[in-house]
Amino acid sequence: AQTVTQSQPEMSVQEAETVTLSCTYDTSESDYYLFWYKQPPSRQMILVIRQEAYKQQNATENRFSVNFQKAAKSFSLKISDSQLGDAAMYFCAYRRKIYNQGGKLIFGQGTELSVKP
Amino acid sequence: DTEVTQTPKHLVMGMTNKKSLKCEQHMGHRAMYWYKQKAKKPPELMFVYSYEKLSINESVPSRFSPECPNSSLLNLHLHALQPEDSALYLCASSHPNRRANEKLFFGSGTQLSVL
Repeated sequence: AQTVTQSQPEMSVQEAETVTLSCTYDTSESDYYLFWYKQPPSRQMILVIRQEAYKQQNATENRFSVNFQKAAKSFSLKISDSQLGDAAMYFCAYRRKIYNQGGKLIFGQGTELSVKP
Repeated sequence: DTEVTQTPKHLVMGMTNKKSLKCEQHMGHRAMYWYKQKAKKPPELMFVYSYEKLSINESVPSRFSPECPNSSLLNLHLHALQPEDSALYLCASSHPNRRANEKLFFGSGTQLSVL
């Protein structure tokens, strides 16, 4: 069975600084997707960034980037130039590639990020 | 339209009540999901519908009854719930037959309180 582990329940960063959230996962699959979701106090789940396992290049979305280490099964999220609006719960998630039907999204336990002005 | 709409946003019900949660999307997605989320915890998958057929049931108690009457609509019927069922219920959808299948679109949820 696949598992996702986030070892940092809480993190804090100063506004405009950089922070890295950690995520490790376990799977026997060779091709899959990895995601970071953000959940602010409104509790809307917002997709921040995604990575396809067969792509070696790390995904980047504006101030958000990942460090994907497939052999180590590690998928960390780096937030640069942190803003107050980045304060939220961040979930790392895994999904195996599956077609023609919906597939299960497996979440880590989450990291609560606070941003200090 | 890139939204998943859930109604109601808040629901308070007694343990003997029957109520329903509704989820709607008009993005042409043919996979729809129900997740349950407790505060400060990750979402837990409950059900998945693929092409209007139930494809995954994560051993959810029978007091939760899902229904997918058409490709745009997903309901969750609630009956004889327990206080521990109080949670945020999230609906999501995706394209099962396209490369974009990996991306789930979430609604903003229904906050349920069982008294």
